Amino acid sequence: QSVLTQPPSASGTPGQRVTISCSGSSSNIGSSTVNWYQQLPGTAPKLLIYNNDQRPSGVPDRFSGSKSGTSASLAISGLQSEDEADYYCAAWDDSLNVRVFGGGTKLTVL
Amino acid sequence: EVQLVESGGGLVQPGGSLRLSCAASGFTFSDHYMDWVRQAPGKGLEWVGRSKNKAKSHTTEYAASVKGRFAISRDDSKSSLYLQMNSLKTEDTAVYYCASSWSVSYYAIGYWGQGTLVTVSS
Repeated sequence: QSVLTQPPSASGTPGQRVTISCSGSSSNIGSSTVNWYQQLPGTAPKLLIYNNDQRPSGVPDRFSGSKSGTSASLAISGLQSEDEADYYCAAWDDSLNVRVFGGGTKLTVL
Repeated sequence: EVQLVESGGGLVQPGGSLRLSCAASGFTFSDHYMDWVRQAPGKGLEWVGRSKNKAKSHTTEYAASVKGRFAISRDDSKSSLYLQMNSLKTEDTAVYYCASSWSVSYYAIGYWGQGTLVTVSS
């Protein structure tokens, strides 16, 4: 069982907007920044969002992140078929002194 | 361009040992925190541990599941990171990723290697 909680699956049609939630606690999301990773099938993860809402260069502005209290969200607008992937949230846990990941959300583009 | 290349994976029997290596290039290795993350077949990402940078005396931190069995080390002169895995269990079977911090001041994982597969089986 992961310290950060994500829905196991999400779906949408091309052009739609989808959001993926990530729920934690005061010792991780509540006291640390959140990062999001995209893992395309058969590949290594890639940083998608860092410091809650910052996009590395090269990441389309269709991807956005937000954080409020002990929860965070990843939003994908204008959904495209190439967005079909697994998405993970991550944060540092000050109480456990470890990096924690969400269980991952498999996004399907219908 | 940041590049991280893992090596050393393979098949090992339960109770055995294995040492993974990660060759880094494209950034000042000594300034960055370095992590190991693993992914069991069909499962999610699991943090293994990390080595802080030279300024933080290369302090290491580990997940509870590997503490006392795994050890992370680094050689800044060779821009290399290592993971010594002892007393391996079948549940350690996974792809192991080497990862570097996003920047010298923001320590979240920013870059990933392609991974190396470790299979623990008799």
